[in-house]
Amino acid sequence: QQQVKQSPQSLIVQKGGISIINCAYENTAFDYFPWYQQFPGKGPALLIAIRPDVSEKKEGRFTISFNKSAKQFSLHIMDSQPGDSATYFCAASPAQVGGKFQFGAGTQVVVTP
Amino acid sequence: NAGVTQTPKFQVLKTGQSMTLQCAQDMNHEYMSWYRQDPGMGLRLIHYSVGAGITDQGEVPNGYNVSRSTTEDFPLRLLSAAPSQTSVYFCASSRHVANTEAFFGQGTRLTVV
Repeated sequence: QQQVKQSPQSLIVQKGGISIINCAYENTAFDYFPWYQQFPGKGPALLIAIRPDVSEKKEGRFTISFNKSAKQFSLHIMDSQPGDSATYFCAASPAQVGGKFQFGAGTQVVVTP
Repeated sequence: NAGVTQTPKFQVLKTGQSMTLQCAQDMNHEYMSWYRQDPGMGLRLIHYSVGAGITDQGEVPNGYNVSRSTTEDFPLRLLSAAPSQTSVYFCASSRHVANTEAFFGQGTRLTVV
């Protein structure tokens, strides 16, 4: 049973549109929530991460929103570009256990020109 | 700066054969881990290590062995390959501190026939 549930499984968005990916977790010991981006044939790479003491973090066109009471967090990709086409994974890890992540199932994002 | 290096990139095994997937990192990271990636299931932790001589099981350890004799290397051994072990395997390394980024290798695509 996955401790981090991710949706949707896939999404198609037009260039310039907004992509939204949602994740929910059960374990209240989790306190670090990164998002990883993976291109075909490559390993995942860190995109952006958040801790639960903030409700939102923005880096360029990528924003994480975090709702601690609902145990949910989401990734928003603004002004989506064809180069954003990739698989995105949310993840969570507990404090003091650096590197040990529970990953969501992944979302394949396709940005059409 | 090589980061995390995995070999081989592709491998086909017959059922019952054994093999070792190699992983090396040059970042002096304490924490190393192995994940398998299967469609619709995200990345699942197989085994991890917090330092040389210390290993532990993750979520799906059955059929796999690991050892960590040096900080740099963390090989994954398949003792008797089964078709259920057909997957893409990723090695990752990170510092063993809270809120840390995991660095992934390029992956090994393994097919067991």
